Amino acid sequence: DAMVIQNPRYQVTQFGKPVTLSCSQTLNHNVMYWYQQKSSQAPKLLFHYYDKDFNNEADTPDNFQSRRPNTSFCFLDIRSPGLGDAAMYLCATSRSGSAAIQYFGAGTRLSVL
Amino acid sequence: GDSVTQMEGPVTLSEEAFLTINCTYTATGYPSLFWYVQYPGEGLQLLLKATKADDKGSNKGFEATYRKETTSFHLEKGSVQVSDSAVYFCALSDPQGGSEKLVFGKGTKLTVNP
Repeated sequence: DAMVIQNPRYQVTQFGKPVTLSCSQTLNHNVMYWYQQKSSQAPKLLFHYYDKDFNNEADTPDNFQSRRPNTSFCFLDIRSPGLGDAAMYLCATSRSGSAAIQYFGAGTRLSVL
Repeated sequence: GDSVTQMEGPVTLSEEAFLTINCTYTATGYPSLFWYVQYPGEGLQLLLKATKADDKGSNKGFEATYRKETTSFHLEKGSVQVSDSAVYFCALSDPQGGSEKLVFGKGTKLTVNP
């Protein structure tokens, strides 16, 4: 059974039209992460939540926001998608602590027309 | 900042061949090291990890040893199978405040032919 679920698997949006990607988990992990992965590149961390504490990476554009209403759910909001935001978006979860394993969802592939 | 450099792909091997995927890292502290694998159409999943120098991680016939002196964590398997075809990511963790940030290499695509 899938433990980290991302919806939808494929998302098409228009240039400048807000879009929300969702992630849910059944692992009861207190840390949740959002990564952006462009073609043939490494996943790049956008931000993460440690419980309710939001931690933004210094180079994450303001266009990207996130919400975590409860332990199980986390959302990625892209306020005004540009063509450069087309990518695979990966959600992951982990327990806290040294060398914790991250568990990934299957990802959402975002296309911007 | 921390970084991971891994062997450029793609790598194509015949079944039962020996596999090595090189990975080196740069880190200011004492990171933990990981190999994650991404099978087609799926998310990343942990293959193996090592948390301190000279540790060897192993799983499903894959092995990697944490070499602090050479800052390396090369992935090896003695005899690959078609089912090992996937993208392999080397990564290090950067512990801060109880949560783990992963820094990934670019990934190496492995194709194993029958």
